Amino acid sequence: KQEVTQIPAALSVPEGENLVLNCSFTDSAIYNLQWFRQDPGKGLTSLLLIQSSQREQTSGRLNASLDKSSGRSTLYIAASQPGDSATYLCAGWATGKLIFGQGTTLQVKP
Amino acid sequence: EPEVTQTPSHQVTQMGQEVILRCVPISNHLYFYWYRQILGQKVEFLVSFYNNEISEKSEIFDDQFSVERPDGSNFTLKIRSTKLEDSAMYFCASIGDSYNEQFFGPGTRLTVL
Repeated sequence: KQEVTQIPAALSVPEGENLVLNCSFTDSAIYNLQWFRQDPGKGLTSLLLIQSSQREQTSGRLNASLDKSSGRSTLYIAASQPGDSATYLCAGWATGKLIFGQGTTLQVKP
Repeated sequence: EPEVTQTPSHQVTQMGQEVILRCVPISNHLYFYWYRQILGQKVEFLVSFYNNEISEKSEIFDDQFSVERPDGSNFTLKIRSTKLEDSAMYFCASIGDSYNEQFFGPGTRLTVL
């Protein structure tokens, strides 16, 4: 069964810290990896897409990496801000659909 | 910037009633999806749709569910006889080409009483 797991489930950090969110997947057939942000009760905002042929993608203070051989992806957030507080979801693209992890809920304290 | 839109934002219905959730995907996209997220749980795939037919569906997508693209812009999810356990946030998504970035709509919160 294809599964995506994210750790930690929740994270609280002071403003300004650099942090890493982890995502692991069980199926090597996962082709792409997409990171999303979800604010409470809201939709999914795509942050970064890493395609199978890539190892990392960067957007502003965000950097995501993909290691298919170990089944892992990380999302690095530099110089965190209170506005980064949200749930971060990773999702692997496999056999025609996205498979989601349960998310990491991040709180950045001022 | 193009975006996926969904209506209504919140739908309240009585158990056993039919509901239709509407989505307008990004205009030049070819692949369309419905996902759902029960409160506190993972986002789950329901169905994918391409070239006017279902490409794949999950175990959740039983005979009570159907999808349709009635015209060139709308993509709908119908639940024929809603159950309490259908209460969830329903997300529509679309992509232009296979294996590319999926863009999600803001969701419809369905509450079944």
